[in-house]
Amino acid sequence: GAGVSQSPSNKVTEKGKDVELRCDPISGHTALYWYRQSLGQGLEFLIYFQGNSAPDKSGLPSDRFSAERTGGSVSTLTIQRTQQEDSAVYLCASSLAHTGGGKLFFGSGTQLSVL
Amino acid sequence: GDSVTQMEGPVTLSEEAFLTINCTYTATGYPSLFWYVQYPGEGLQLLLKATKADDKGSNKGFEATYRKETTSFHLEKGSVQVSDSAVYFCALGGNTGNQFYFGTGTSLTVIP
Repeated sequence: GAGVSQSPSNKVTEKGKDVELRCDPISGHTALYWYRQSLGQGLEFLIYFQGNSAPDKSGLPSDRFSAERTGGSVSTLTIQRTQQEDSAVYLCASSLAHTGGGKLFFGSGTQLSVL
Repeated sequence: GDSVTQMEGPVTLSEEAFLTINCTYTATGYPSLFWYVQYPGEGLQLLLKATKADDKGSNKGFEATYRKETTSFHLEKGSVQVSDSAVYFCALGGNTGNQFYFGTGTSLTVIP
């Protein structure tokens, strides 16, 4: 597609349920990022994929969070046993990977609400 | 590690006022610096960038100069408009492992 696509755009779930958030990056972009944006807060880095390299998971807040990227393209962020503090906008971004700093292209995000 | 510190908001200005949003960074190596903007109800988009010291990024009347001596990348605009109301994020990237670091964002409201 022309841009980064995220689904669903909104997700309401009950505390304790598992959720899966999907990101479809721009074709040809080898770098993929997940960020979390909480109300009134900045962007919190979660995880970063670069090609076939091992992902940088240093931003995942707990072991309830995991992500995978299949075939170097689509990525899924999974949150197990959701808690109310997980409520936030989850943003995916992709970029061409090259030194000197590539431009990030962001999706519109998934608004997650945990009741 | 690398990081970005951004001026806290919110900032409220009258139309045609001068805008400065401060951003300083900590990094080893030679990162690129960015300003992203998030308009109400929209996703983040790149506003401008600078890839090396003394470069000036500019777009839509906004400017920012990469100052290595003061490790800063302050965003400026000479005359803001109501349509500039948005949240502005300073970011650093392209240093080690192509990681990107964002500031906490500064909310700008421009009133007529």
